[in-house]
Amino acid sequence: EVQLLESGGGLVQPGGSLRLSCEASGFSFDSYGLNWVRQAPGKGLEWISVITGNAKSVYYADSVEGRFTISRDNSKNTLYLHMNHLRPEDTALYFCAKELSSITRDTPFDSWGQGTRVTVSS
Amino acid sequence: VLTQSPAILSLSPGERATLSCRASQSVNSNYIAWYQQKVGQAPRLLIYGASRRASGIPDRFSGSASETDFTLTISRLEPEDFAVYYCQDYGNSPMFIFGQGTELEI
Repeated sequence: EVQLLESGGGLVQPGGSLRLSCEASGFSFDSYGLNWVRQAPGKGLEWISVITGNAKSVYYADSVEGRFTISRDNSKNTLYLHMNHLRPEDTALYFCAKELSSITRDTPFDSWGQGTRVTVSS
Repeated sequence: VLTQSPAILSLSPGERATLSCRASQSVNSNYIAWYQQKVGQAPRLLIYGASRRASGIPDRFSGSASETDFTLTISRLEPEDFAVYYCQDYGNSPMFIFGQGTELEI
């Protein structure tokens, strides 16, 4: 059974930093792309970043480009999101999500964690 | 951009639900997915490739597609189906686009 467990969320002041983690199990970790998707309170889903299975390619939404860094440690089956220069509008529940296919980049997300909450406020 | 309608759909158990997702430009229907999200839970993949059910999804859920219009149909609503539904375009790799969601309420 695929399991994704996020951690690292919390309350941080504007301009601050935070590192989120997502521990994975139940699948061949280094074969799959992994994504971060966030959901602001009462709002919809916003994709923010993806990293390929071999970590050679990463991509970001415009809203976080230059401030957030996605990475993974395939020896630890763990995905990370390093968040710098945080803004109040980054307040959200952050989910990690596994891609359905290990072969194509055009693939939906078949497994999600329960999320970790980030609040940016003074 | 994906625009979902209606924003809120009020129906009763046993009724048929039809949820719409419209793309602002032609998209490859092979790359449209639908997710269900219940309160306090993570999203769950229901449909991908516009009409393929994900593993374990009941056959009362179905998807259909035209060039820019995509539909999720729930044939007979069960109490557990009342949730928020999102469509997703995953054919613009590396970007992934979600619609704003439709709330299906009793």
